[in-house]
Amino acid sequence: KAGVTQTPRYLIKTRGQQVTLSCSPISGHRSVSWYQQTPGQGLQFLFEYFSETQRNKGNFPGRFSGRQFSNSRSEMNVSTLELGDSALYLCASSLAYNKETQYFGPGTRLLVL
Amino acid sequence: AQRVTQPEKLLSVFKGAPVELKCNYSYSGSPELFWYVQYSRQRLQLLLRHISRESIKGFTADLNKGETSFHLKKPFAQEEDSAMYYCALLFIENTPLVFGKGTRLSVIA
Repeated sequence: KAGVTQTPRYLIKTRGQQVTLSCSPISGHRSVSWYQQTPGQGLQFLFEYFSETQRNKGNFPGRFSGRQFSNSRSEMNVSTLELGDSALYLCASSLAYNKETQYFGPGTRLLVL
Repeated sequence: AQRVTQPEKLLSVFKGAPVELKCNYSYSGSPELFWYVQYSRQRLQLLLRHISRESIKGFTADLNKGETSFHLKKPFAQEEDSAMYYCALLFIENTPLVFGKGTRLSVIA
């Protein structure tokens, strides 16, 4: 079974731009979670989707948004990028909701200049 | 608010020495507990979860409800154990996993 894939793997943007990151979960997994990973803060939860519905949202500004499609693929969008948004963005999928083991993708490394 | 604390950012041990990675949480209930590991240039992956009571790669973790801790232990560290370790807790149903900030384990030959 193919693992979680994320595209693109690397991205360089400038302040004020917007960016869309994509995540394809493991086949059959219906839950997708997004995390922001930085050296100082570790893993911070962004949001979780299950069956195209956002089930949980972390403590991030409204510039961060996401969605999930009927095939369970998910995208997250960050508008009006700030320097502090530079991070590794991780996507994780699980079979069902909440209590299942999460399987992580390789991440998208975003650099905002 | 529920919190997960990993007090050590970096832990260095010699090969063959015992390892204990600390994880403390603040919650009065019974959380579900996980340890995730990220080896160099690899993706984050589950190492073990409390509910399965498994020993993975020689690591074990015991829940101490009195001390609200879930420390990860291994009797004899190996060089290949060098990695970033994250403790994660699921406090309440229908809420997301909460991760600690991680501990980098360095095993010195």
